[in-house]
Amino acid sequence: KAGVTQTPRYLIKTRGQQVTLSCSPISGHRSVSWYQQTPGQGLQFLFEYFSETQRNKGNFPGRFSGRQFSNSRSEMNVSTLELGDSALYLCASSPGGTASYEQYFGPGTRLTVT
Amino acid sequence: GDSVTQMEGPVTLSEEAFLTINCTYTATGYPSLFWYVQYPGEGLQLLLKATKADDKGSNKGFEATYRKETTSFHLEKGSVQVSDSAVYFCALSDPGSSNYKLTFGKGTLLTVNP
Repeated sequence: KAGVTQTPRYLIKTRGQQVTLSCSPISGHRSVSWYQQTPGQGLQFLFEYFSETQRNKGNFPGRFSGRQFSNSRSEMNVSTLELGDSALYLCASSPGGTASYEQYFGPGTRLTVT
Repeated sequence: GDSVTQMEGPVTLSEEAFLTINCTYTATGYPSLFWYVQYPGEGLQLLLKATKADDKGSNKGFEATYRKETTSFHLEKGSVQVSDSAVYFCALSDPGSSNYKLTFGKGTLLTVNP
């Protein structure tokens, strides 16, 4: 079974621009989560979607948004990029119905804002 | 809120040495506990998990036991290899809270020398 895929793997943007990152979950998984990883803050939760509905959102400004499509694929968008948005963005999928809520991660998208 | 504290790194060991990485947690409910591993340039891989007290998770020679009385989930391996060099993250999910996310520790960098 194919794993979680994320595109693109690397991205360089200029401050003030916007960016869209894409995530395809493991087949059959209905939950998709996004995390931001930085050296200073570690792994921080952005949001989680299940069956096209956002169930939880982390403590990030409104410039960060996401959505999930009917095929469970997900996108996240960051508008008006700031230098501090440079990070590795990780997508994770989960069946969504398991009590343990284990998640399986993609390779990440490395975003650099200049 | 939920939190995870793991030992500060970096940890440097010689091949075949014994490894322990300490992890303690705070949670309001009955969390599930995980160890994830991140190799350079990659996303996170689920290493092992435990979903209830006294459960032992194990994989690839690594073990961790869910200790509710000490709120701990320490990672151990009897004989490390150079290929085990990576960053290790302890994490929890709290299915009863319906917040649908993983809470991570800050990560421990392990370097194994030949």
